[in-house]
Amino acid sequence: DTEVTQTPKHLVMGMTNKKSLKCEQHMGHRAMYWYKQKAKKPPELMFVYSYEKLSINESVPSRFSPECPNSSLLNLHLHALQPEDSALYLCASSQEWGDGYTFGSGTRLTVV
Amino acid sequence: SQKIEQNSEALNIQEGKTATLTCNYTNYSPAYLQWYRQDPGRGPVFLLLIRENEKEKRKERLKVTFDTTLKQSLFHITASQPADSATYLCALDQTGANNLFFGTGTRLTVIP
Repeated sequence: DTEVTQTPKHLVMGMTNKKSLKCEQHMGHRAMYWYKQKAKKPPELMFVYSYEKLSINESVPSRFSPECPNSSLLNLHLHALQPEDSALYLCASSQEWGDGYTFGSGTRLTVV
Repeated sequence: SQKIEQNSEALNIQEGKTATLTCNYTNYSPAYLQWYRQDPGRGPVFLLLIRENEKEKRKERLKVTFDTTLKQSLFHITASQPADSATYLCALDQTGANNLFFGTGTRLTVIP
């Protein structure tokens, strides 16, 4: 299995909702990442997990809460989002520092 | 401030020609630089990685160069095909940091 699987592919949520994005990989990669991508912009790093521990939080608002239940799974919990949070949310993984990243296809999030 | 800039937002070339994309960076000391391809609505796909002590890397029709003195990487696609049409992103880390930051991207269109 050489893929990163993200669910759901599309999500529409209200500003008072709570939802979660899920990411899964079975390549044995030790690092997992969340990126946010707005239209016609490059991906922006949000969080980095290394060996299941949060190692980097790029000053992301607390309405985004990451979780890494085990080495294959990564979640992003969403609560009280704003319309400007609408974007493509990408999960990625890598074996080690210095390796290429494998990205999932993303979750297209719309906040209404 | 740190910047990763790709020379043009869009590049059109004729099929069969060589496409050359440029990535320039400031205020980074990367240990390596990566290139990705991204199709609309999809996650980036890893293409090539070049380390700071390497001048050139090749993979099939792709070639990457890395000049740490000029703080620049060039990405070449030879014998370009319409299927090469996509957005190409360069990305680099900070030495020792387990994260990856992306350039602004170049949208390449290969005209039949």
